[in-house]
Amino acid sequence: NAGVTQTPKFQVLKTGQSMTLQCAQDMNHEYMSWYRQDPGMGLRLIHYSVGAGITDQGEVPNGYNVSRSTTEDFPLRLLSAAPSQTSVYFCASSLGLQSETQYFGPGTRLLVL
Amino acid sequence: DAKTTQPPSMDCAEGRAANLPCNHSTISGNEYVYWYRQIHSQGPQYIIHGLKNNETNEMASLIITEDRKSSTLILPHATLRDTAVYYCIVRVGGATNKLIFGTGTLLAVQP
Repeated sequence: NAGVTQTPKFQVLKTGQSMTLQCAQDMNHEYMSWYRQDPGMGLRLIHYSVGAGITDQGEVPNGYNVSRSTTEDFPLRLLSAAPSQTSVYFCASSLGLQSETQYFGPGTRLLVL
Repeated sequence: DAKTTQPPSMDCAEGRAANLPCNHSTISGNEYVYWYRQIHSQGPQYIIHGLKNNETNEMASLIITEDRKSSTLILPHATLRDTAVYYCIVRVGGATNKLIFGTGTLLAVQP
């Protein structure tokens, strides 16, 4: 199993550009989520999904869209990038809603100029 | 949601036990205490969790006080590879599996 994979590893955007951060898992996990981590801070939840076709907002959803058309994939879309979205983005997955363990991907480092 | 308080940083000598404290005085009766760690620039890694009994696995031990208002993560024989930020998290209840991260404790294992 590859676990949780994220692409790209690094990205530089200009203000106003849009892009999609990819996240995939091959563990047949129902629950997937996106976090962002700013320098010196803990992770904050952006969006999450409890299964294909179901998504919901976390703590900091503004400026981001998600969809979950398959169990494996959970892309995060930035509609119009802003410098405040400069951060490291982590995707995570777990077997189910009550699963003890969440598995995190390696992260995508995003710089918005 | 119950909040946690951790010291910002700690040092530990290689080969010695590392004891990381966490306060969670407002924890509810059905909330678990989770520990994750984040080695520099990597995604967080699950370590251990517990409700009210002490727990042990291959990575660490978790000691929860009887009143459940605080806990301690113990790494029995710290190595340089254990240098990381350690997060104590009280799991939010309900059907969301959300994790609320604080700023954690930076554990520096010294040679």
